[in-house]
Amino acid sequence: DTAVSQTPKYLVTQMGNDKSIKCEQNLGHDTMYWYKQDSKKFLKIMFSYNNKELIINETVPNRFSPKSPDKAHLNLHINSLELGDSAVYFCASSPRSGVTNIQYFGAGTRLSVL
Amino acid sequence: GENVEQHPSTLSVQEGDSAVIKCTYSDSASNYFPWYKQELGKRPQLIIDIRSNVGEKKDQRIAVTLNKTAKHFSLHITETQPEDSAVYFCAARFRNTGFQKLVFGTGTRLLVSP
Repeated sequence: DTAVSQTPKYLVTQMGNDKSIKCEQNLGHDTMYWYKQDSKKFLKIMFSYNNKELIINETVPNRFSPKSPDKAHLNLHINSLELGDSAVYFCASSPRSGVTNIQYFGAGTRLSVL
Repeated sequence: GENVEQHPSTLSVQEGDSAVIKCTYSDSASNYFPWYKQELGKRPQLIIDIRSNVGEKKDQRIAVTLNKTAKHFSLHITETQPEDSAVYFCAARFRNTGFQKLVFGTGTRLLVSP
């Protein structure tokens, strides 16, 4: 049983298209995240939801819209894709409270915009 | 600001040598510092973490040290093996409008040669 699963694993698309990435966690966590990892391997947080509520929204273009239908799911929709959106997108989840903030990552979605 | 600096960006060692990766953080209120290992094409996975009330933590061949006064922490890997080759990320927990988030360092690519 995969704890944090995201689909698709690979996504190849043309500039200007709209695409979605889905994420689901079965760990019972309250908090979920989207990270972008660029070609230099920098891992940057984009969004975080806690129990379906947006709590972190970094300086991300508004072409990116996250949606959390329930606390086990966090999807990412991207409009009007650009070349610079090409990256690996990781979903992660963690328990909301506690003295640590251990995050469990999905396997990643490699997005290539042509 | 929320900043984590990590050095070196690449590190090459011979099998059996030790490897040290260093990070500094900007916010003295940060209280949790995890280290993640990302193998090629895989997801980041937690390998060790430390809380601010502890100066050192060890788990077999890996150890982490924390100097709160200087705001820096380090990962030490002893008796390195080829399977230790990966990108390592440090992170620090920052508080953001009541919620906490991890800010990651820029990563260190460790290569262990047989």
